Amino acid sequence: KAGVTQTPRYLIKTRGQQVTLSCSPISGHRSVSWYQQTPGQGLQFLFEYFSETQRNKGNFPGRFSGRQFSNSRSEMNVSTLELGDSALYLCASSLVGANSGNTIYFGEGSWLTVV
Amino acid sequence: GNSVTQMEGPVTLSEEAFLTINCTYTATGYPSLFWYVQYPGEGLQLLLKATKADDKGSNKGFEATYRKETTSFHLEKGSVQVSDSAVYFCALRLNGANSKLTFGKGITLSVRP
Repeated sequence: KAGVTQTPRYLIKTRGQQVTLSCSPISGHRSVSWYQQTPGQGLQFLFEYFSETQRNKGNFPGRFSGRQFSNSRSEMNVSTLELGDSALYLCASSLVGANSGNTIYFGEGSWLTVV
Repeated sequence: GNSVTQMEGPVTLSEEAFLTINCTYTATGYPSLFWYVQYPGEGLQLLLKATKADDKGSNKGFEATYRKETTSFHLEKGSVQVSDSAVYFCALRLNGANSKLTFGKGITLSVRP
């Protein structure tokens, strides 16, 4: 079956603009989470959505937001872009449940460059 | 809090050499442990996982054993190939109704022919 799909794969934005990234999870997966990857900070958790509700949030400013739709697809938005927002943004999906062994599957990511 | 510590990199090996990448963790609960691999220009792929103490995860010749007494999950491979060149991340996830992974900083492995 299809994996986690992210669009767009690459984009360049100007400081002060806003950006929206999209993610389609694996079919049947209802939990979607987002991570930011940078050379300096590594992989950092942004937030997680389940059933259209944010149920976990990382330590990022309010400029970073997201949402999930009824079909489990998710979007994240970054407003008032800063140079430091340049990063690889990874979306991940997993089955729902308290079992920590449930595998989290990642998409190929969206490369955002802010100039 | 929860954290994952990986050995400093990068690591450069010759083909067919033995590989060990150290990973230790601290966790407020009983975690599952994962190794993810990232090839150049790609996202993360699950390499292997272990969900309880003494479990051994294995895949593509890589192995890692969940050691609760030493809070470790070291990755090993007996004979590396050039195609194993990538960045390797150790991660943990706690039981509970959330999907947050806590990652180590990652280590770059380069394998020379």
